[in-house]
Amino acid sequence: SQQGEEDPQALSIQEGENATMNCSYKTSINNLQWYRQNSGRGLVHLILIRSNEREKHSGRLRVTLDTSKKSSSLLITASRAADTASYFCATVIYNQGGKLIFGQGTELSVKP
Amino acid sequence: KAGVTQTPRYLIKTRGQQVTLSCSPISGHRSVSWYQQTPGQGLQFLFEYFSETQRNKGNFPGRFSGRQFSNSRSEMNVSTLELGDSALYLCASSPVPDTEAFFGQGTRLTVV
Repeated sequence: SQQGEEDPQALSIQEGENATMNCSYKTSINNLQWYRQNSGRGLVHLILIRSNEREKHSGRLRVTLDTSKKSSSLLITASRAADTASYFCATVIYNQGGKLIFGQGTELSVKP
Repeated sequence: KAGVTQTPRYLIKTRGQQVTLSCSPISGHRSVSWYQQTPGQGLQFLFEYFSETQRNKGNFPGRFSGRQFSNSRSEMNVSTLELGDSALYLCASSPVPDTEAFFGQGTRLTVV
């Protein structure tokens, strides 16, 4: 079964707007990662946040992690049409490093 | 640095046949993991290898097997193919487990 639940399942915004995606998980984790996938191709790693971190930034991306609520969010600021893709959160459970458990993903559409 | 290479990119097989998929990780990466992606089940973990040892295995039948060679290259094999095995099979490599994973473009397997 999936560890992560993502919300929303689909999101449609205009270029320049911010996009927020949420991920919840069930068991204690070592780290949580976000990936992007374009049109059924390979996944691209975006950001990794460890269980002892609360927030991380990378360019236009901001990730937060709340281990007490077992949830994470990914914020993409000033979205571009090129950000159109599916976004997945993936968790790594303690003592199972190397095994990514993915959520169902959020399909983001950014309209020019 | 070359990325993760998966061969072949596309494959059509008949039900009952077997198939072998290959993955060449990024040079220096010792951890290789495999995932199956379908529209219905999403991204599901198959197995993970580190230094030729299988460290984790997902919830798949014994028809799915894999191995890793001393040069870190990995293969996965599916025997007695079923229609439901049609999927995108993704391979990912990491320097060590529990770090960001780099994915290949995948092998799209169609079973007819």
